[in-house]
Amino acid sequence: SAVISQKPSRDICQRGTSLTIQCQVDSQVTMMFWYRQQPGQSLTLIATANQGSEATYESGFVIDKFPISRPNLTFSTLTVSNMSPEDSSIYLCSVDTREVTDTQYFGPGTRLTVL
Amino acid sequence: KNEVEQSPQNLTAQEGEFITINCSYSVGISALHWLQQHPGGGIVSLFMLSSGKKKHGRLIATINIQEKHSSLHITASHPRDSAVYICAVQPNDYKLSFGAGTTVTVRA
Repeated sequence: SAVISQKPSRDICQRGTSLTIQCQVDSQVTMMFWYRQQPGQSLTLIATANQGSEATYESGFVIDKFPISRPNLTFSTLTVSNMSPEDSSIYLCSVDTREVTDTQYFGPGTRLTVL
Repeated sequence: KNEVEQSPQNLTAQEGEFITINCSYSVGISALHWLQQHPGGGIVSLFMLSSGKKKHGRLIATINIQEKHSSLHITASHPRDSAVYICAVQPNDYKLSFGAGTTVTVRA
Protein backbone atom coordinates (compact mmCIF):
# COMPACT_ATOMS: atom_id res chain seq x y z
CA SER A 1 0.00 0.00 0.00
CA ALA A 2 0.95 3.66 -0.21
CA VAL A 3 0.32 6.27 2.47
CA ILE A 4 -0.04 9.81 1.19
CA SER A 5 0.03 12.97 3.26
CA GLN A 6 -0.81 16.47 2.15
CA LYS A 7 -0.01 19.83 3.70
CA PRO A 8 -1.83 21.98 4.50
CA SER A 9 -5.09 20.13 5.11
CA ARG A 10 -7.00 23.35 4.66
CA ASP A 11 -6.34 27.05 4.22
CA ILE A 12 -8.17 30.32 3.76
CA CYS A 13 -6.35 32.71 1.47
CA GLN A 14 -6.79 36.19 0.13
CA ARG A 15 -7.39 36.94 -3.52
CA GLY A 16 -4.18 37.51 -5.46
CA THR A 17 -1.94 35.43 -3.21
CA SER A 18 -0.41 32.01 -3.92
CA LEU A 19 -0.49 28.75 -1.96
CA THR A 20 1.83 25.78 -2.29
CA ILE A 21 0.41 22.35 -1.45
CA GLN A 22 2.77 19.52 -0.59
CA CYS A 23 2.22 15.83 -1.28
CA GLN A 24 4.42 13.22 0.39
CA VAL A 25 4.27 9.47 -0.31
CA ASP A 26 5.80 6.82 1.92
CA SER A 27 7.20 4.86 -1.02
CA GLN A 28 8.73 5.62 -4.38
CA VAL A 29 6.18 5.92 -7.16
CA THR A 30 6.50 6.76 -10.81
CA MET A 31 3.14 8.39 -11.44
CA MET A 32 1.78 11.23 -9.31
CA PHE A 33 -1.31 13.22 -10.21
CA TRP A 34 -2.91 16.44 -9.03
CA TYR A 35 -6.70 16.78 -9.09
CA ARG A 36 -9.12 19.58 -8.36
CA GLN A 37 -12.62 19.09 -7.00
CA GLN A 38 -14.73 22.22 -7.16
CA PRO A 39 -17.72 22.48 -4.83
CA GLY A 40 -20.41 20.00 -5.80
CA GLN A 41 -18.35 18.67 -8.70
CA SER A 42 -16.39 15.54 -9.37
CA LEU A 43 -12.62 15.40 -9.69
CA THR A 44 -10.79 16.97 -12.60
CA LEU A 45 -7.21 16.09 -13.44
CA ILE A 46 -4.94 19.14 -13.39
CA ALA A 47 -1.64 17.53 -14.35
CA THR A 48 0.61 14.51 -14.15
CA ALA A 49 3.77 15.20 -12.16
CA ASN A 50 6.81 13.58 -13.71
CA GLN A 51 10.04 13.14 -11.80
CA GLY A 52 12.92 14.91 -13.46
CA SER A 53 10.86 16.66 -16.13
CA GLU A 54 8.08 19.19 -16.52
CA ALA A 55 4.57 18.26 -15.52
CA THR A 56 2.03 17.34 -18.20
CA TYR A 57 -1.01 19.60 -17.96
CA GLU A 58 -4.56 18.81 -19.00
CA SER A 59 -6.62 21.04 -21.22
CA GLY A 60 -7.67 24.17 -19.37
CA PHE A 61 -4.76 24.14 -16.92
CA VAL A 62 -1.50 26.00 -17.45
CA ILE A 63 1.88 25.98 -15.77
CA ASP A 64 1.80 29.69 -14.92
CA LYS A 65 -1.34 29.21 -12.85
CA PHE A 66 -0.51 25.79 -11.39
CA PRO A 67 3.26 25.29 -11.27
CA ILE A 68 4.23 21.81 -10.14
CA SER A 69 7.48 20.43 -8.82
CA ARG A 70 8.52 16.78 -8.58
CA PRO A 71 12.03 16.72 -7.17
CA ASN A 72 12.05 13.01 -6.35
CA LEU A 73 9.93 9.85 -6.46
CA THR A 74 8.19 10.48 -3.11
CA PHE A 75 7.33 14.19 -3.17
CA SER A 76 5.52 16.78 -5.24
CA THR A 77 4.17 20.28 -4.81
CA LEU A 78 1.33 22.13 -6.52
CA THR A 79 1.16 25.90 -6.34
CA VAL A 80 -2.10 27.73 -6.94
CA SER A 81 -0.98 31.16 -8.15
CA ASN A 82 -2.69 34.54 -8.13
CA MET A 83 -5.75 33.00 -6.53
CA SER A 84 -9.33 34.07 -7.10
CA PRO A 85 -12.52 32.83 -5.41
CA GLU A 86 -13.02 30.47 -8.37
CA ASP A 87 -9.96 28.53 -7.17
CA SER A 88 -11.79 27.52 -4.00
CA SER A 89 -11.70 23.74 -4.23
CA ILE A 90 -10.35 20.58 -2.74
CA TYR A 91 -6.98 19.74 -4.25
CA LEU A 92 -5.90 16.11 -4.13
CA CYS A 93 -2.77 14.29 -5.11
CA SER A 94 -2.82 10.65 -6.05
CA VAL A 95 -0.33 7.99 -7.00
CA ASP A 96 -0.56 4.97 -9.20
CA THR A 97 1.21 2.02 -7.66
CA ARG A 98 0.39 -0.66 -10.18
CA GLU A 99 4.09 -1.37 -10.35
CA VAL A 100 3.70 -2.85 -6.86
CA THR A 101 -0.01 -3.23 -6.07
CA ASP A 102 -3.16 -3.21 -8.12
CA THR A 103 -4.69 0.15 -7.22
CA GLN A 104 -4.43 3.91 -7.12
CA TYR A 105 -4.15 5.85 -3.86
CA PHE A 106 -5.39 9.33 -3.01
CA GLY A 107 -4.17 11.85 -0.49
CA PRO A 108 -6.52 13.32 2.12
CA GLY A 109 -6.93 16.51 0.14
CA THR A 110 -6.33 20.21 0.78
CA ARG A 111 -9.46 22.29 1.19
CA LEU A 112 -8.76 25.78 -0.14
CA THR A 113 -11.04 28.76 0.34
CA VAL A 114 -10.19 32.01 -1.43
CA LEU A 115 -11.84 35.17 -0.15
CA LYS B 1 -21.98 13.90 -22.53
CA ASN B 2 -19.80 12.67 -19.68
CA GLU B 3 -17.82 9.53 -20.40
CA VAL B 4 -18.97 8.12 -17.06
CA GLU B 5 -22.57 8.17 -15.87
CA GLN B 6 -23.59 7.14 -12.38
CA SER B 7 -27.03 6.43 -11.00
CA PRO B 8 -28.69 7.27 -8.79
CA GLN B 9 -27.33 10.71 -7.99
CA ASN B 10 -28.59 10.44 -4.42
CA LEU B 11 -29.71 7.46 -2.39
CA THR B 12 -31.18 7.18 1.09
CA ALA B 13 -31.48 3.80 2.78
CA GLN B 14 -32.43 2.42 6.15
CA GLU B 15 -29.77 0.63 8.12
CA GLY B 16 -29.54 -2.98 7.02
CA GLU B 17 -30.82 -2.43 3.50
CA PHE B 18 -29.04 -3.62 0.37
CA ILE B 19 -27.71 -0.75 -1.75
CA THR B 20 -26.77 -0.78 -5.43
CA ILE B 21 -24.99 2.01 -7.31
CA ASN B 22 -24.62 1.78 -11.07
CA CYS B 23 -21.94 3.09 -13.40
CA SER B 24 -22.05 3.14 -17.20
CA TYR B 25 -19.23 4.33 -19.40
CA SER B 26 -18.76 4.97 -23.08
CA VAL B 27 -15.05 4.47 -23.72
CA GLY B 28 -12.76 1.49 -23.86
CA ILE B 29 -11.03 0.98 -20.57
CA SER B 30 -8.28 -1.05 -18.99
CA ALA B 31 -9.75 -0.75 -15.49
CA LEU B 32 -12.58 0.76 -13.46
CA HIS B 33 -12.27 2.16 -9.95
CA TRP B 34 -14.79 2.60 -7.19
CA LEU B 35 -13.86 5.31 -4.72
CA GLN B 36 -15.38 6.50 -1.46
CA GLN B 37 -15.27 10.13 -0.35
CA HIS B 38 -16.30 11.14 3.15
CA PRO B 39 -17.46 14.68 4.04
CA GLY B 40 -13.94 15.73 5.05
CA GLY B 41 -12.87 15.32 1.44
CA GLY B 42 -10.42 12.43 1.63
CA ILE B 43 -10.84 9.70 -0.95
CA VAL B 44 -10.37 5.99 -0.37
CA SER B 45 -9.94 3.54 -3.19
CA LEU B 46 -12.40 0.67 -2.69
CA PHE B 47 -11.88 -1.45 -5.77
CA MET B 48 -10.00 -1.56 -9.02
CA LEU B 49 -11.65 -3.91 -11.52
CA SER B 50 -10.81 -5.09 -14.99
CA SER B 51 -13.22 -8.03 -15.12
CA GLY B 52 -15.65 -10.08 -13.07
CA LYS B 53 -16.33 -9.39 -9.46
CA LYS B 54 -14.51 -8.39 -6.29
CA LYS B 55 -15.66 -8.54 -2.68
CA HIS B 56 -14.30 -6.79 0.37
CA GLY B 57 -16.28 -7.17 3.55
CA ARG B 58 -19.82 -5.92 2.87
CA LEU B 59 -18.86 -4.34 -0.43
CA ILE B 60 -19.15 -6.11 -3.76
CA ALA B 61 -18.16 -4.66 -7.12
CA THR B 62 -18.96 -6.18 -10.49
CA ILE B 63 -18.10 -5.20 -14.02
CA ASN B 64 -19.38 -6.26 -17.43
CA ILE B 65 -16.83 -5.13 -20.00
CA GLN B 66 -19.03 -5.99 -23.00
CA GLU B 67 -21.93 -3.91 -21.68
CA LYS B 68 -19.62 -1.16 -20.33
CA HIS B 69 -21.34 -1.31 -16.97
CA SER B 70 -20.33 -1.74 -13.35
CA SER B 71 -22.22 -1.95 -10.08
CA LEU B 72 -21.22 -1.39 -6.48
CA HIS B 73 -23.30 -3.20 -3.88
CA ILE B 74 -23.35 -2.57 -0.15
CA THR B 75 -24.89 -5.37 1.87
CA ALA B 76 -26.35 -4.81 5.36
CA SER B 77 -25.79 -1.06 5.06
CA HIS B 78 -24.75 0.94 8.11
CA PRO B 79 -24.75 4.68 8.86
CA ARG B 80 -20.95 4.69 8.60
CA ASP B 81 -21.39 3.77 4.91
CA SER B 82 -22.79 7.27 4.34
CA ALA B 83 -20.46 8.89 1.84
CA VAL B 84 -20.11 9.85 -1.79
CA TYR B 85 -19.25 6.88 -4.00
CA ILE B 86 -17.42 7.70 -7.19
CA CYS B 87 -16.93 5.55 -10.26
CA ALA B 88 -13.83 6.28 -12.32
CA VAL B 89 -12.68 4.65 -15.53
CA GLN B 90 -9.16 4.26 -16.74
CA PRO B 91 -8.45 4.23 -20.46
CA ASN B 92 -5.24 2.65 -21.61
CA ASP B 93 -3.01 4.93 -19.57
CA TYR B 94 -2.82 6.10 -15.99
CA LYS B 95 -5.43 8.88 -16.18
CA LEU B 96 -8.89 8.54 -14.66
CA SER B 97 -12.24 9.91 -15.84
CA PHE B 98 -14.66 10.37 -12.98
CA GLY B 99 -18.39 10.07 -12.62
CA ALA B 100 -20.31 12.75 -10.76
CA GLY B 101 -20.66 10.55 -7.69
CA THR B 102 -23.57 9.04 -5.79
CA THR B 103 -24.37 10.49 -2.38
CA VAL B 104 -25.42 7.68 -0.08
CA THR B 105 -27.13 8.36 3.23
CA VAL B 106 -27.88 5.46 5.54
CA ARG B 107 -30.29 6.22 8.37
CA ALA B 108 -30.19 4.35 11.66
